Amino acid sequence: DIQMTQSPSSLSASVGDRVTITCRASQSISSSLNWYQQKPGKAPKLLIYAASTLQSGVPSRFSGSGSGTDFTLTISSLQPEDFATYYCQQSYSTLTWTFGQGTKVEIK
Amino acid sequence: EVQLVESGGGLVKPGGSLRLSCAASGISLSDAWMSWVRQAQGRGLEWVGRIRGKTDGGTTDYAAPVNGRFTISRDDSKDTVYLQMNSLKTEDTGVYYCSWELRSALDVWGQGTMVTVSS
Repeated sequence: DIQMTQSPSSLSASVGDRVTITCRASQSISSSLNWYQQKPGKAPKLLIYAASTLQSGVPSRFSGSGSGTDFTLTISSLQPEDFATYYCQQSYSTLTWTFGQGTKVEIK
Repeated sequence: EVQLVESGGGLVKPGGSLRLSCAASGISLSDAWMSWVRQAQGRGLEWVGRIRGKTDGGTTDYAAPVNGRFTISRDDSKDTVYLQMNSLKTEDTGVYYCSWELRSALDVWGQGTMVTVSS
């Protein structure tokens, strides 16, 4: 199976900060990488698919980049509603998909 | 608007069985690719398995920890997908979500249903 490793596992940031989360795949996955946001007690929400395509309705302060094994989710100016846990997920393997372990973004 | 509603969760003893349902509205499930994802309390997301749309063969894939114990099926007349879980283990405890796969991503999610495996 393809392993996905996110860093950091958690971070503290202030409103207005630029935040970057990294996801690394154990092998090349081309651009087959998605990002999700999950708030406590809620289902995850798709933010970005195919590494860099913003899902409809998602604010433009979210952006994704990368290909191959290294990917990045950036929040350009952190808003109060962005405090949540973020997960990357590979869709390169046609048989099984895997998630990263998550990055919790907390208020500083 | 596409909506997914899971049901069927509950408390079951180790070794027991449970069937979860995922009812869809706003889409016809017959051609949809549908996945199940689970999450243990305080833990991350784990992809469980999928069923392909009818025109893509309706075949299924499963994650290694559930392969041979879980089965995904679909009733197109009811626009419902099922997750049959047999030989349940304590480590299967968690919230189970169904999700609509679109553009190789999990586009729409249900609210989840809780499964507790405990004696």
